[in-house]
Amino acid sequence: AQSVTQLDSHVSVSEGTPVLLRCNYSSSYSPSLFWYVQHPNKGLQLLLKYTSAATLVKGINGFEAEFKKSETSFHLTKPSAHMSDAAEYFCVVNQNYGGSQGNLIFGKGTKLSVKP
Amino acid sequence: ETGVTQTPRHLVMGMTNKKSLKCEQHLGHNAMYWYKQSAKKPLELMFVYNFKEQTENNSVPSRFSPECPNSSHLFLHLHTLQPEDSALYLCASSQPGQGALRYGYTFGSGTRLTVV
Repeated sequence: AQSVTQLDSHVSVSEGTPVLLRCNYSSSYSPSLFWYVQHPNKGLQLLLKYTSAATLVKGINGFEAEFKKSETSFHLTKPSAHMSDAAEYFCVVNQNYGGSQGNLIFGKGTKLSVKP
Repeated sequence: ETGVTQTPRHLVMGMTNKKSLKCEQHLGHNAMYWYKQSAKKPLELMFVYNFKEQTENNSVPSRFSPECPNSSHLFLHLHTLQPEDSALYLCASSQPGQGALRYGYTFGSGTRLTVV
């Protein structure tokens, strides 16, 4: 069965410093992996996705993530944090039943705080 | 706006009330979803509809009753709710089948429900 673990519930960085949000997954099949961001009182917005093409995936707002099969990881990074990046971030794996659609499995989320 | 519109944005209801949440998308998607987001808990999938047919009910209590009259609209009818049902209810849509794997889901901004 597929699952996803976000290793940190809360990450705090200073503006202009790098961001690293960690995610590990388990999957019986080739997974599709996503990162979503949720700003306060808003819905979830897709940041980026991995669907078995390039292992380094670039998303919106300068974020990127690298799929590492050997480590079963899909960490989210950004070289320089901006105040507007403060939000909650969700790592998501698609529960893919060997070709059928399945459903999305969400991690518990990582709240990112950015200090001036 | 993401293309998925949820109304109302906020709802306060008593335990004996009956109310409905509405979700609308004009993205051409044929799969629609209801998720529940409670404080300090992962997103919980409630219902899945594909081409207007319910394909998943994730053991949701019968006081929540979904309706999907067409591929563009999804409702969640609420009656005799409990205070623990207070949460953010998120609607999402996607392409059906493999399309969800390739493109992920598009979420609405949610309805913040408070049961008093």
